[in-house]
Amino acid sequence: NAGVTQTPKFRVLKTGQSMTLLCAQDMNHEYMYWYRQDPGMGLRLIHYSVGEGTTAKGEVPDGYNVSRLKKQNFLLGLESAAPSQTSVYFCASSSAGGGSDEQFFGPGTRLTVL
Amino acid sequence: GQNIDQPTEMTATEGAIVQINCTYQTSGFNGLFWYQQHAGEAPTFLSYNVLDGLEEKGRFSSFLSRSKGYSYLLLKELQMKDSASYLCAVQDSNYQLIWGAGTKLIIKP
Repeated sequence: NAGVTQTPKFRVLKTGQSMTLLCAQDMNHEYMYWYRQDPGMGLRLIHYSVGEGTTAKGEVPDGYNVSRLKKQNFLLGLESAAPSQTSVYFCASSSAGGGSDEQFFGPGTRLTVL
Repeated sequence: GQNIDQPTEMTATEGAIVQINCTYQTSGFNGLFWYQQHAGEAPTFLSYNVLDGLEEKGRFSSFLSRSKGYSYLLLKELQMKDSASYLCAVQDSNYQLIWGAGTKLIIKP
C-alpha cells in the first residue's frame, strides 16, 4: 500500500497564479484533511472532509478551496496565490474523525509564492 | 482561545532519557496525541492518551493529567535516529486536532 500520496512535491508560483494540489489515499479512509505547516507554528487545518462529496472549513480556509469527488482523492486549490501562502502543505487521512484513530500523513508539498 | 505549549528545542545525549512536556488549554478534550516528525518528512503517530496515567510503548511512554492540562513524552535509551521534532496535539470538543508548534530534539553522541 502506498498510504497517502501528494503531488506535486515542490512548486514555485508567482503571485496571482492558480494551482491544485492532489492528495490520494488507498486505505479506504472516510476522513481527509489539508494542513499547512509554517516555521514556529503548529499544523493548522485548512479544510477537511468527512466523506465523499463533503467538505468543511477548518481554522484557516481563506484563499483555498477543496473538492472530494472520489473517496480516495482530496484536492486543494489556490485560485490566486499570495506570498502568505508560502508553506508546506500536508494532506492526512483517518478512518474516523475521533477517538484514538490516528491521522496518516502524506509526504508534503513545499510551495513557494513569489 | 486554544493553546498548546511545548519547549521549542531540547538537547540530550545518546543512551540517556529525555522528557518532553506539553501543556494545553482547549475547548473540550477528547484525547491527546504525540507525533514524531523528522526534518523534511511527514509526521508519524507515536501515542494516544485519553485517560489519566502512563501509556508505555517500547522505548517511548506518554503520560496524561487531564486535571492539570499536562502531558509528557518520555524517550528512553536515546538513539541518534530519535533526533526529530515531537508534536503534541489535542483533540478538542469538535474532534479536531489542535497542534503545538513542536519540540526539536537534538541527540548528541
